[in-house]
Amino acid sequence: LAKTTQPISMDSYEGQEVNITCSHNNIATNDYITWYQQFPSQGPRFIIQGYKTKVTNEVASLFIPADRKSSTLSLPRVSLSDTAVYYCLVGDMADSSYKLIFGSGTRLLVRP
Amino acid sequence: DAGVTQSPTHLIKTRGQQVTLRCSPISGHKSVSWYQQVLGQGPQFIFQYYEKEERGRGNFPDRFSARQFPNYSSELNVNALLLGDSALYLCASSLVGTGAYNEQFFGPGTRLTVL
Repeated sequence: LAKTTQPISMDSYEGQEVNITCSHNNIATNDYITWYQQFPSQGPRFIIQGYKTKVTNEVASLFIPADRKSSTLSLPRVSLSDTAVYYCLVGDMADSSYKLIFGSGTRLLVRP
Repeated sequence: DAGVTQSPTHLIKTRGQQVTLRCSPISGHKSVSWYQQVLGQGPQFIFQYYEKEERGRGNFPDRFSARQFPNYSSELNVNALLLGDSALYLCASSLVGTGAYNEQFFGPGTRLTVL
């Protein structure tokens, strides 16, 4: 079964770049890697998704090495409103049964 | 366009009871996934349905079951409730297919408390 590992928490200051890494062994061959942001009492919100190399959108970048056993979410110039929990999500095909595996989440605190 | 809707918002049950949670996906989305999120933990995958068929199942006991209707809405049923079933139950819909390559849109969740 795919296991994802993320740092439990990270601290940053406004305006800094934050990089959060997720390790995911045994990811399903054809599956993408997706990152979500979650605020208290809300459902997760999509940030970015990628399969290989680098993907960039208006809010983040995602770096995925060739072996796809990890991924790094990069948040440029964070603000106080980026304080949230960040999750990686991967698919797993162990036991011939498809499963979606969320990481344990990284709690990001952005300070003024 | 309305987002993913879930009902009820909150629910209180006692041990041994049964509960049904409902989810309406975004219009045009054919895939629905269910997750359980215990306070302080990440969402745990329960089921994924696409075109009314189960396409994925997490490591949950048979007390958990689900189905998807012709209009792509979905129900999650939990029988013989245990205290440990207390959690936020999240529903997510995606446009087509299965797998993490489809962006999932999450609803606000149903907060289930088992006493």
